[in-house]
Amino acid sequence: AQTVTQSQPEMSVQEAETVTLSCTYDTSESDYYLFWYKQPPSRQMILVIRQEAYKQQNATENRFSVNFQKAAKSFSLKISDSQLGDAAMYFCAYRSGGGTSYDKVIFGPGTSLSVIP
Amino acid sequence: ETGVTQSPTHLIKTRGQQVTLRCSSQSGHNTVSWYQQALGQGPQFIFQYYREEENGRGNFPPRFSGLQFPNYSSELNVNALELDDSALYLCASSSGGNEQFFGPGTRLTVL
Repeated sequence: AQTVTQSQPEMSVQEAETVTLSCTYDTSESDYYLFWYKQPPSRQMILVIRQEAYKQQNATENRFSVNFQKAAKSFSLKISDSQLGDAAMYFCAYRSGGGTSYDKVIFGPGTSLSVIP
Repeated sequence: ETGVTQSPTHLIKTRGQQVTLRCSSQSGHNTVSWYQQALGQGPQFIFQYYREEENGRGNFPPRFSGLQFPNYSSELNVNALELDDSALYLCASSSGGNEQFFGPGTRLTVL
């Protein structure tokens, strides 16, 4: 079974600085997707960034980028120029790429990010 | 384009009661997934519906059941509520195996 681990329950960052959130996962599959979701106090789960396992190039979305190390099964999220609106719970998540009839997403336990003005 | 909506926003039930939560999928999406998120934890997959049939289920007992309607909206039903069922219930819709878009959730409290 696939598992997702986030070893940092809480992180804080100064406004305008850079922060990196860690995530490791375990799987025997070769085809899968990895995601970072953001959940602010409003509870809405928002997709931040997505990475296909077959792509070697790290995904980037504006101030958000990932460091995907497939062999190490590591998938960290870097937030540059942190803003107050970035404060939220961040979940690392995994989804099988194919061969299954359904596409459930497996979430990690989350990292609570605080942004200090 | 209308996003995923859920109702009600929150509700309170007592142990042993039954509850129905509702979800309207995003326009064009034919797949709905339900997740349970206990306080301080990540969401856990309950089940998924595709074209009105359950096509995947997580580690949840049979008292968790669901429906999907022809317009792809969905219901989650929980019978014989237990205190541990208190959680945020999230619905997500998708199509063709693409990203799941989440609704705002329903906060269920069981007393």
